[in-house]
Amino acid sequence: NAGVTQTPKFRVLKTGQSMTLLCAQDMNHEYMYWYRQDPGMGLRLIHYSVGEGTTAKGEVPDGYNVSRLKKQNFLLGLESAAPSQTSVYFCASSRGGPGQSRTDTQYFGPGTRLTVL
Amino acid sequence: GENVEQHPSTLSVQEGDSAVIKCTYSDSASNYFPWYKQELGKGPQLIIDIRSNVGEKKDQRIAVTLNKTAKHFSLHITETQPEDSAVYFCAARIRGSTLGRLYFGRGTQLTVWP
Repeated sequence: NAGVTQTPKFRVLKTGQSMTLLCAQDMNHEYMYWYRQDPGMGLRLIHYSVGEGTTAKGEVPDGYNVSRLKKQNFLLGLESAAPSQTSVYFCASSRGGPGQSRTDTQYFGPGTRLTVL
Repeated sequence: GENVEQHPSTLSVQEGDSAVIKCTYSDSASNYFPWYKQELGKGPQLIIDIRSNVGEKKDQRIAVTLNKTAKHFSLHITETQPEDSAVYFCAARIRGSTLGRLYFGRGTQLTVWP
């Protein structure tokens, strides 16, 4: 049981390039999330998904797109990278959501460090 | 939405001493308050959480207290050890949120000196 995994661990892009970050979870969780972490800013939600085939915007969605074609995978795409997207990206998953008591704990992956030059 | 404030941003303690990190929240409808520990180069890991129907919860050297009236909650670590050194994040979730979205504080860098 690997939990939440992310690939790649590190990436350097030039401005305007595109890339996709992959998140995978093997816990059969319904909910998945993408966060970015910047110094002194805590964790900010980019996009989230409440189930296979569904996605929605979070707090800072501009410049990103996501897809959840399979329950276990959640992809984060940058179509045209900008230096402002230099950050550490974390994926998380949870079994369910509110009203489901003990199933709302979020489990985080190890992160992807992205630098955009 | 919810606004979570966390203090202090940095905290240094001697091994064996206690450490306290405090958070305040703005939305009285928040009902779930987890604490995460993030070690260098790793993702945040849940260490303890508390729900609004209890005032205190303990797990060995870690405890969390919640004051709903004042809208603040605190993390207490007793008998600190060097391996407790990490960044700690508090978070809050609003009751009835369709997402279960967590609102995070900005983190506290805890350093425990041997």
